[in-house]
Amino acid sequence: DVKVTQSSRYLVKRTGEKVFLECVQDMDHENMFWYRQDPGLGLRLIYFSYDVKMKEKGDIPEGYSVSREKKERFSLILESASTNQTSMYLCASSRTSGSSSYNEQFFGPGTRLTVL
Amino acid sequence: AQSVTQPDIHITVSEGASLELRCNYSYGATPYLFWYVQSPGQGLQLLLKYFSGDTLVQGIKGFEAEFKRSQSSFNLRKPSVHWSDAAEYFCAVGAKGFQKLVFGTGTRLLVSP
Repeated sequence: DVKVTQSSRYLVKRTGEKVFLECVQDMDHENMFWYRQDPGLGLRLIYFSYDVKMKEKGDIPEGYSVSREKKERFSLILESASTNQTSMYLCASSRTSGSSSYNEQFFGPGTRLTVL
Repeated sequence: AQSVTQPDIHITVSEGASLELRCNYSYGATPYLFWYVQSPGQGLQLLLKYFSGDTLVQGIKGFEAEFKRSQSSFNLRKPSVHWSDAAEYFCAVGAKGFQKLVFGTGTRLLVSP
């Protein structure tokens, strides 16, 4: 069974702290994604990685950075957490299948981050 | 660029009644279309997907969706809703050769007894 795991389900941090959210997939997928989910706004892409050490900005990268040192692991970093980064964070992965890639993404359970 | 519209923020359906959730997309070529479901406090689970071929696709949990190119729609249907179907539903569009998906803002389904 395919699996995407996230390091924490719930996290509470203080303003100004450096925050690490970890995501691991066991499907040998090339692509990994970080989204944030807010009521009424759906899922918004923060960053995307299509290979180890490769990354691409999504729609809302400001205030975030990412790291992908190994194929199975993709980390989201909040350099200095702020209250407006309180949200649900979802990680996903997908396979690149030659020229007919399917785009299907598999999601982790999410991390609900509260910044006080 | 692709975009997705889910015009209904909330829908309430009686248990046992039929369901249709609307999804309209914007994309110049043939899209890849997906419906995901998110139960409270959980991640997203794929219900069904359309890439090509038969425009009526069957998914898990008794759901189906129909791709209508002329209407740029991919509506999700279920003939008889169960209380366990209460969740948030997301439509998403992708494109061949591109890895990113664009998600709609979601429709929250409430099921009344």
